[in-house]
Amino acid sequence: DQQVKQNSPSLSVQEGRISILNCDYTNSMFDYFLWYKKYPAEGPTFLISISSIKDKNEDGRFTVFLNKSAKHLSLHIVPSQPGDSAVYFCAASAVKGSNYKLTFGKGTLLTVNP
Amino acid sequence: DVKVTQSSRYLVKRTGEKVFLECVQDMDHENMFWYRQDPGLGLRLIYFSYDVKMKEKGDIPEGYSVSREKKERFSLILESASTNQTSMYLCASSLAGLAKNIQYFGAGTRLSVL
Repeated sequence: DQQVKQNSPSLSVQEGRISILNCDYTNSMFDYFLWYKKYPAEGPTFLISISSIKDKNEDGRFTVFLNKSAKHLSLHIVPSQPGDSAVYFCAASAVKGSNYKLTFGKGTLLTVNP
Repeated sequence: DVKVTQSSRYLVKRTGEKVFLECVQDMDHENMFWYRQDPGLGLRLIYFSYDVKMKEKGDIPEGYSVSREKKERFSLILESASTNQTSMYLCASSLAGLAKNIQYFGAGTRLSVL
């Protein structure tokens, strides 16, 4: 059973517009959430994270929003750039008493068109 | 900067061969992980280790084993490679004992089993 779901396999946006990537989770024990970006033939790189005590975290063009009641998080990229074209993975962990595992979604391929 | 190094970027092996994938991290991280990434399936955890000589099975350990003799090195072993083990293999590491559970990934090894 998938505990972290990214229901959109792909997303295409125009350069300069906003990209919104969505992620849903089912495990109420998750208390830390991360987004990773992955280019082809490279390993994932950490992008931004959020703890369950917050509902928003911002880093430059990237903002992550967390809605705990809906068990939903989203990554906003504003403005989108062609270099943002990559696969984005959402991940979650239950840090308290955990063995530090991350549970990943299946990823969303973002294409930013010039 | 955290550096996670995987010994090979590309490997081609024959069915039945014993395959070793090596991973080294230089940040004194306690936790190390092996994943495989397949199209449409995201990142799936094979094995992880939270200390030297300690290991735990992930979600898909069948056909794999691991070795962690030194803190900085975590090896993935395919005892008898099969074609369904053709995949991208990713190693990651993280610090223990922190609320921010961020894993840092290597560049990946693309393994083809013929």
